[in-house]
Amino acid sequence: TQLLEQSPQFLSIQEGENLTVYCNSSSVFSSLQWYRQEPGEGPVLLVTVVTGGEVKKLKRLTFQFGDARKDSSLHITAAQPGDTGLYLCAGWSRAQKLVFGQGTRLTINP
Amino acid sequence: DAGVTQSPTHLIKTRGQQVTLRCSPISGHKSVSWYQQVLGQGPQFIFQYYEKEERGRGNFPDRFSARQFPNYSSELNVNALLLGDSALYLCASSFYLGADPSSLQETQYFGPGTRLLVL
Repeated sequence: TQLLEQSPQFLSIQEGENLTVYCNSSSVFSSLQWYRQEPGEGPVLLVTVVTGGEVKKLKRLTFQFGDARKDSSLHITAAQPGDTGLYLCAGWSRAQKLVFGQGTRLTINP
Repeated sequence: DAGVTQSPTHLIKTRGQQVTLRCSPISGHKSVSWYQQVLGQGPQFIFQYYEKEERGRGNFPDRFSARQFPNYSSELNVNALLLGDSALYLCASSFYLGADPSSLQETQYFGPGTRLLVL
């Protein structure tokens, strides 16, 4: 079974600070995705990374896919209260199923 | 365009009862997937249907079943409810199966979910 472990599980920081969330696996994934989920809503896709070593930027969010395609990170610069939410990494398993990590609950305090 | 819709939004049942959850995909999408999200965890895959046929099944007991209709909407049924079935049930739709995540046509779009509480 291909598993994804996210760390930290909870993170509470002040507005303006930087943070990094990690997604790790012992298995190779062909691609990894990052989602953001807010209370009462379903996950919304932020980005898909498909090439080992790939870096993608989405405004203040930077996503990186590990060279060995076993891990990924999400870095947020100058966090804002609107960044608060549950961040989920997910990967397509060899059985063509979407496998999610347990999530990182991020709180940005004004 | 309307996104993925799910009904009902909330549901309370007692142990042993049966429940049916409904999902309408984005217009034109042919694939529907169901996920269970227990509080504090990430979503866990239950089923995927494409063109009305089951194309994938997660590690869930036979109490869980689903089907997809000719209009591509879908129902998830859970029999003999247990306390541990309490969760947010998410439906996601995509145009194709999602086997090529780099393709926009295979991006999964999630609905807001149905929150099920089993007492």
